[in-house]
Amino acid sequence: GAVVSQHPSWVICKSGTSVKIECRSLDFQATTMFWYRQFPKQSLMLMATSNEGSKATYEQGVEKDKFLINHASLTLSTLTVTSAHPEDSSFYICSARTPLSSLHPHRAYTFGSGTRLTVV
Amino acid sequence: EDQVTQSPEALRLQEGESSSLNCSYTVSGLRGLFWYRQDPGKGPEFLFTLYSAGEEKEKERLKATLTKKESFLHITAPKPEDSATYLCAVQVVQTGANNLFFGTGTRLTVIP
Repeated sequence: GAVVSQHPSWVICKSGTSVKIECRSLDFQATTMFWYRQFPKQSLMLMATSNEGSKATYEQGVEKDKFLINHASLTLSTLTVTSAHPEDSSFYICSARTPLSSLHPHRAYTFGSGTRLTVV
Repeated sequence: EDQVTQSPEALRLQEGESSSLNCSYTVSGLRGLFWYRQDPGKGPEFLFTLYSAGEEKEKERLKATLTKKESFLHITAPKPEDSATYLCAVQVVQTGANNLFFGTGTRLTVIP
């Protein structure tokens, strides 16, 4: 249980184009999802918190007009990188809080498998 | 300012050579400390959640411990398949904060 599916796993796009990344909670509902970015050999940095039915909350320094987040349902959040540039190339990962169960009796967060974005 | 520091940055072990990874934290209030394993090109995989000083959790060859200032991830008799980056993350007691703040990780390589 508690699977977060993220697609695509990798994408290459031309500079100036937009790319959409999907994050789905497969067997549970997630009113809140989190989007992280990870540069090589660096830590995961929170970009934004996605809230179902309301606006996302962005971390300081993250351009909300560039990284559009839509959380239209309880199982789907999308991140669109608009007008992508080479400096946006990174590993993007989403997560959701794992629902408590016998398998997960403690607070935890389940992560997607990540999306490697390369902008050329 | 909340801070999470992991050491060492990288660690090479012979198969069967036990060792410990360190996660030091300075936060205004700890709600929980999390350990994750991350394989190259993959998302983090949950290992443990620790809530209070003195708490310990075990899973196979891994054991996590927590004090008021740091957490250790002990690896007993590691195998090559334990090679990965181990991430420590904290969740801070803060109104509306539900996200994790990660350290930079320890890259573990276990040599057969």
